[in-house]
Amino acid sequence: QKEVEQDPGPLSVPEGAIVSLNCTYSNSAFQYFMWYRQYSRKGPELLMYTYSSGNKEDGRFTAQVDKSSKYISLFIRDSQPSDSATYLCAMSAGGYQKVTFGTGTKLQVIP
Amino acid sequence: SAVISQKPSRDICQRGTSLTIQCQVDSQVTMMFWYRQQPGQSLTLIATANQGSEATYESGFVIDKFPISRPNLTFSTLTVSNMSPEDSSIYLCSVAGQASGTDTQYFGPGTRLTVL
Repeated sequence: QKEVEQDPGPLSVPEGAIVSLNCTYSNSAFQYFMWYRQYSRKGPELLMYTYSSGNKEDGRFTAQVDKSSKYISLFIRDSQPSDSATYLCAMSAGGYQKVTFGTGTKLQVIP
Repeated sequence: SAVISQKPSRDICQRGTSLTIQCQVDSQVTMMFWYRQQPGQSLTLIATANQGSEATYESGFVIDKFPISRPNLTFSTLTVSNMSPEDSSIYLCSVAGQASGTDTQYFGPGTRLTVL
């Protein structure tokens, strides 16, 4: 079993829809949770960063962490065609520990 | 966040040759990392490059195949040696952010390598 599981998609939604992207993990030591966006032929770009459990909002993006369920989510409101990309979850135990990435979910927002 | 550049952005190489990839950061950073991303796959950490010491390699990666240099706090190189088609991949460098430890990493644009 992988430490981090992420549905690879592809996920196709109409413009304006609410998108939900999710990851599950098995390592209870993980404390720091990140979401990266990667456009085709580009390096990953850090979107959201959350410590421990709870919610964090930044514009149209909301990150949620439920450590009791070992489940993290990224919500995108009012999705735009420019949101079409691969979204990678990532997590670590902190303190200069290795960051473990999910396999990424490919999202397509259709105009 | 740091601005990271990589050279070359892409290359096509012959089997058996070597390629050195450069990573330049616009500010001093403690830790730099090298990742590989094979087609349709997630990121796999190759090694952590620390200034003034030997790189730390992950399981499955060895110094003879992927020698790394870190001469100062803004620059690192990764060499892919004696290449085979299985080395065709995107190679990414990243640096640790200002948050605790290595948790927030910022990535360069990547080097797309094709080995024939």
